[in-house]
Amino acid sequence: KAGVTQTPRYLIKTRGQQVTLSCSPISGHRSVSWYQQTPGQGLQFLFEYFSETQRNKGNFPGRFSGRQFSNSRSEMNVSTLELGDSALYLCASSGTIPYTQYFGPGTRLTVL
Amino acid sequence: QQQVKQSPQSLIVQKGGISIINCAYENTAFDYFPWYQQFPGKGPALLIAIRPDVSEKKEGRFTISFNKSAKQFSLHIMDSQPGDSATYFCAASKITSYDKVIFGPGTSLSVIP
Repeated sequence: KAGVTQTPRYLIKTRGQQVTLSCSPISGHRSVSWYQQTPGQGLQFLFEYFSETQRNKGNFPGRFSGRQFSNSRSEMNVSTLELGDSALYLCASSGTIPYTQYFGPGTRLTVL
Repeated sequence: QQQVKQSPQSLIVQKGGISIINCAYENTAFDYFPWYQQFPGKGPALLIAIRPDVSEKKEGRFTISFNKSAKQFSLHIMDSQPGDSATYFCAASKITSYDKVIFGPGTSLSVIP
């Protein structure tokens, strides 16, 4: 089975711009979660989607949003980028019980 | 109640030694405890997981020890190798719940020759 894929792998943006990241889960997995990883903050949960509905949400501002399509692929969007948004954004998919999460390689976002 | 504490923050071990990483949780409803290994530039990968109905689980050189009464669990890496140098995350969740997985802050392990 192919793993979780994320595109693009690297991204450089400037403050004020917006960005869209994409995640394709493992085939058959219907849950997709997004995390922000920074050196000082570890893995910070952004949100989780299941069957096109947001099921869980972390404590991030409304500039961070996401969606899931009928084929379980997911996108997350960050609007009005700030320097502090520079991070590795990880996507994880999970299938049935146990809800073990399988991570993609991440998208490295740099905001200048 | 939702926090998972992890220690140490960083760890240096000689090749061939035992690496030990400890985690503690507060929510007694958690019943699934996976460990993840992350190499630089890669996403975390599931290493080994345990449920509270067993006190120990071993897979190769990796062992999880679980103490339900103390709400603690630990990862032991036997015969540590330089290739084990990575960041390790413990996590906790409710196996049948849709609630989000709670991750520990991570431990950076360096195994030196």
